This record gives sequence, C-alpha cells and structure tokens, in this order.
Amino acid sequence: NAGVMQNPRHLVRRRGQEARLRCSPMKGHSHVYWYRQLPEEGLKFMVYLQKENIIDESGMPKERFSAEFPKEGPSILRIQQVVRGDSAAYFCASSSGLAENYEQYFGPGTRLTVT
Amino acid sequence: AQSVTQPDIHITVSEGASLELRCNYSYGATPYLFWYVQSPGQGLQLLLKYFSGDTLVQGIKGFEAEFKRSQSSFNLRKPSVHWSDAAEYFCGGGYNKLIFGAGTRLAVHP
Repeated sequence: NAGVMQNPRHLVRRRGQEARLRCSPMKGHSHVYWYRQLPEEGLKFMVYLQKENIIDESGMPKERFSAEFPKEGPSILRIQQVVRGDSAAYFCASSSGLAENYEQYFGPGTRLTVT
Repeated sequence: AQSVTQPDIHITVSEGASLELRCNYSYGATPYLFWYVQSPGQGLQLLLKYFSGDTLVQGIKGFEAEFKRSQSSFNLRKPSVHWSDAAEYFCGGGYNKLIFGAGTRLAVHP
C-alpha cells in the first residue's frame, strides 16, 4: 500500500515563474491537505480539499496560490509568479475522512527553491 | 485562538538517558493531539495521538505521551533514548486543520 506521493521532490524556479506541486493521496483516501514549512519553522496549514471541492483555504495566501483536487488525478498546488519568500518545503497529507479518525499521513515533501 | 507551544527549541541528551519533550496547547474543547517526528530532509511520521480515553498514550518506537488537562500539556517521553532518535519533533492539535508547534530539535550524544 503506497503512501502519500509527492513530486517533484525538489523544484527550482526563477522569480516570476510558475511552480506546480503534485500530490497523490494514499489509496482509499479522499481528503488532502497542504502545509508549508519555512526554514527553521513548524508546518503551517494552507488548504484542505476533498475531491473537486475546497473545504478550507484559510491558510492560503490571497494571491498567486491556488489548489485543486480533481475527480481524476493528483492534487495540485500551484504558485504563480514565484518570489524568493516562497522558498520552503511543501508537504501534502491525506486522510480517510472517517469519523473520529483524524490521522493525517504525510508525503515526503517538495522542496521549492526560488532563485 | 487555538495554539500549540513547544518551549524547547533544542535539546541534547546522552544515549540511554531518559527524554521528555514539552508541549502546551490552548484549545476550547477536548482537542485531538499528536506528536510527529521528522528526520532531516524527510516527511513526518506519526508517533502517537490522543483523542479521548486513557490519558497515557503509547506510540511507536517506545514513545509515550500523557494528556494533562489541568496543565494543558501533552508531553512526550521515552525512558531510554537511542542515537537514531535524533530528529525534530512536532507537537500539534486539531482535526482537519492541524496546528503545529515550532518543533524541538533533539540531538543525541553517544
């Protein structure tokens, strides 16, 4: 049973380019979460999605960031016109969404470097 | 507002010594609390979690944590640390939107 998969593991973008981060949840999981970890900091919640729906995007920056989880395929976190401050590790997690089972399983992360 | 605090940024212990990592939370209702461990360049692995029931929770790798409502704490313990336990440890809480502490980096001396 494969775990949460993220790709790419490392991504380098120049300022102004677009970054696309992909996340495939664990088999059977329909809930996906994205978190950002800045250097020397803990993880900060960004967005919570279910298939084709954004449930909670309270942690997403208002501009340049968007997320989707289509009916088919992986969840995508998209960052347009990247800036140096976007350099961070981006983690995806998934859960089953079953009642009283709140455990989230994390992927290995995508480390974004903006030059 | 909900928050989680890990007072210790760095801790160093000798191999074989006991360990306690502190975590304090601020939640209005009974929280779902957890500890994750992160090795350098890796993702997060769940060590243990508390939702309800017995306040002493056993986890993987010999770790345990105790939920103390009166102290708003959920400290992580291990009786004898191994060199492979060197990593960063995150306490947190929440349901779908997880709130993490800033982390405690553990170093283990041989």
